[in-house]
Amino acid sequence: NAGVTQTPKFQVLKTGQSMTLQCAQDMNHNSMYWYRQDPGMGLRLIYYSASEGTTDKGEVPNGYNVSRLNKREFSLRLESAAPSQTSVYFCASSAGGNYNEQFFGPGTRLTVL
Amino acid sequence: AQSVAQPEDQVNVAEGNPLTVKCTYSVSGNPYLFWYVQYPNRGLQFLLKYITGDNLVKGSYGFEAEFNKSQTSFHLKKPSALVSDSALYFCAVRDKPSSNTGKLIFGQGTTLQVKP
Repeated sequence: NAGVTQTPKFQVLKTGQSMTLQCAQDMNHNSMYWYRQDPGMGLRLIYYSASEGTTDKGEVPNGYNVSRLNKREFSLRLESAAPSQTSVYFCASSAGGNYNEQFFGPGTRLTVL
Repeated sequence: AQSVAQPEDQVNVAEGNPLTVKCTYSVSGNPYLFWYVQYPNRGLQFLLKYITGDNLVKGSYGFEAEFNKSQTSFHLKKPSALVSDSALYFCAVRDKPSSNTGKLIFGQGTTLQVKP
């Protein structure tokens, strides 16, 4: 039982390049989330998927797109990376609803030059 | 709108002493509150949650939290701190429970430093 896995762990991009961050969970969770973590800013929600087949914007969606490929997988795409997207990205999943905690992946550290 | 505040950027405590990491919240409706811990270069780990019932919630690694409705607080506590407790701690509140999306709103985090 691996929990929530993310790939890659580290990535360096040049401005304007694109990339996809992958996330998978093996807990049969309905809901999945993408956050970014910046110093002094806590965690900010980028996009989420409350259930398979649905995605919604979070607090900071600009410059990102997501795909809920199936119940297990939720990817985050940067179409044209900008230095402001330099951050640590976390994927999380939960059984959904109001009472269940979220489980987090190990994170992807992204630097955009 | 739902929000949480962690008023201290850093808390310093000596090993063996009790520790408190503060969190206050603002919600419409019933509050659903969570504490997470993040060790360096790791993802967040769930510690405990308050949904309803007893105001003192016990969680992982000897941590507990006290829910106080009148003071709108949910402070994290431990009777005797360990050096290994040094980490970044996040308080979170469920966003708009009526929406049932499971979304969380996080505080900015408090760094706990436990010195030997």
